[in-house]
Amino acid sequence: GENVEQHPSTLSVQEGDSAVIKCTYSDSASNYFPWYKQELGKGPQLIIDIRSNVGEKKDQRIAVTLNKTAKHFSLHITETQPEDSAVYFCAASRGSGGGNKLTFGGGTRVLVKP
Amino acid sequence: DTAVSQTPKYLVTQMGNDKSIKCEQNLGHDTMYWYKQDSKKFLKIMFSYNNKELIINETVPNRFSPKSPDKAHLNLHINSLELGDSAVYFCASSLGGPSYEQYFGPGTRLTVT
Repeated sequence: GENVEQHPSTLSVQEGDSAVIKCTYSDSASNYFPWYKQELGKGPQLIIDIRSNVGEKKDQRIAVTLNKTAKHFSLHITETQPEDSAVYFCAASRGSGGGNKLTFGGGTRVLVKP
Repeated sequence: DTAVSQTPKYLVTQMGNDKSIKCEQNLGHDTMYWYKQDSKKFLKIMFSYNNKELIINETVPNRFSPKSPDKAHLNLHINSLELGDSAVYFCASSLGGPSYEQYFGPGTRLTVT
């Protein structure tokens, strides 16, 4: 089955700096890669996703890059703000066919220091 | 409010008891999920239902039994609770399966003493 590894497990940045989180996956058939943000006491919430036919996607201060050959993808947050402090999860899925599932990485706790 | 809701938010119970967690979504989604998040924040799929049909049943003890009375509801019943069942359980839903945005509920923190 799919295995998703995520690094680092914790990340502390100064407000205004950039944060980068990296994930690798094992299943070359995976084609959907979302990123979720989980604030304290809440459920995860999708912040951006990318599909395998795209190498990069940007939405305001967040961007995701995908390298299918190397089987890794990354989340970039620019101009970090205190409200970016949360746990971030990467995930991978083969598709929406029966039996497919979303496999999550272990999470990265991001702390943005004012 | 359109959302995924779960009840209860907190559940404290003793070993050996049986308990249920309820989940409802009013988003019109066709796929619903149960995830378990352990103390290290690791999120793992337990079950997935599509149009009331079970499509994913991960390696979960058979003390855990999901039930989907209709597309909008997915409940989780746990028999003979054990200490290791303590975790946060999240319900989620999506339109079209796991390759589309999943909307998560607020979670149910289960503590078994």
